[in-house]
This record gives sequence, C-alpha cells and structure tokens, in this order.
Amino acid sequence: NAGVMQNPRHLVRRRGQEARLRCSPMKGHSHVYWYRQLPEEGLKFMVYLQKENIIDESGMPKERFSAEFPKEGPSILRIQQVVRGDSAAYFCASSPRAVSNPEQFFGPGTRLTVL
Amino acid sequence: AQTVTQSQPEMSVQEAETVTLSCTYDTSENNYYLFWYKQPPSRQMILVIRQEAYKQQNATENRFSVNFQKAAKSFSLKISDSQLGDTAMYFCAFMKGYSGAGSYQLTFGKGTKLSVIP
Repeated sequence: NAGVMQNPRHLVRRRGQEARLRCSPMKGHSHVYWYRQLPEEGLKFMVYLQKENIIDESGMPKERFSAEFPKEGPSILRIQQVVRGDSAAYFCASSPRAVSNPEQFFGPGTRLTVL
Repeated sequence: AQTVTQSQPEMSVQEAETVTLSCTYDTSENNYYLFWYKQPPSRQMILVIRQEAYKQQNATENRFSVNFQKAAKSFSLKISDSQLGDTAMYFCAFMKGYSGAGSYQLTFGKGTKLSVIP
C-alpha cells in the first residue's frame, strides 16, 4: 500500500517562473492538506482540500499561490512568479477523515529552491 | 489561536540512555489531539505517538511514551533505550478536536534536534 507520493522531490526555479508541486494521497484518502516548512521552522498549514473543493485556504498567501484537487489525478500546489522567499520544503498530507482518526499521513516533501 | 512551544532547540543523548523532549502548548479548547512527529535527515515526517486530550492515560508506543499534563498544558516525549536511528528533528503538534473551523489543521512547534551519540 503506497504512502503519500509527492513529486518532484527537488525543484529549482528562477525568480519569476512558475512552480507546480504534485501530491497523490494514500489509497482511500479523499482529504489533502498542504504545509510549508521554512528553514529552521516547523511546518505551517497552507490549505485543506477535498476532491474538487477547497475547504480552507486560510494559510495560503493571498497572491501567486493556488491549489486544486481535481476529480481525477493528483492535488497540485501552484506558485506563480516565484520569489526567493518561496524557497522552502512543501509537504502534502492525506487522511481518510474518519471521525475516530485525525491522523494525517505525510509525503516526503518537495524542496523548492528559487535562484 | 493555538501555539506550540518547544524550548529545547537541540539535545543529545548517549545510545541506550533515556531522553525527554519538552513541549508546551496554549489553547482555550477542551477537546484536542497532541502529536509527536519525527523528521530524520530524509525529511520524511513520521508520526511517533499521539494523545487524545480526553484520555487521562499517557500514550505509549514501544520505546516512546508521553507525559501529558493537561492542566499544565504540557506534553513531553520520553525516548527510552535511545538508538542511533532516533537521531532526527522532533516536532510537537496540536490539532483541535473534531468540530468547528480549523479542526483539521496541525499546529507545529519549531522542533528539537536530537542527536544520539554512539
């Protein structure tokens, strides 16, 4: 049973380019969460999605960042016109959202470096 | 808003010894969950142990146990018989109980870097 998959593992972009990060949740999980980890910091919540719905994007920067979780395919976190401050590790987690189990299972992360 | 504080940026322990990592949190919620996650050099986040606030009994998973003091809002992690593979960053995390806005958001501390010395 494959865990949460994220790709690419490492992504290098120049300032002004677009970054697309992909996340495939665990089988049977329909809830996806994105977190960002800046250097020397803990993870910070960005967005929570279900299939075709954004449930909570309160942690997302208002500009340049967007996320989707289509009916088919992986969840995508998109960063337009990247800046150096976007350099971070981006983690995706998924859950079955069972009431009795709040656990979120994390992927290996994508390390974004903006030159 | 909830906050999680880990006051020990770095710790070290001799192999086979016991170490305790500290975590305090601030919340007005009565129903919540607490977690310890491990992040080894591979950067994968791995759940170590979890505690439901309504349970008085401290959670235990093999060599890992917690000391949950709800009134003091303290949630420390004890690692017994430390092994070289325990070397990692350890993050304490909080999640509101299953109701209301934000009940799915994990709030993390800044982490404690643990080194196990042979």
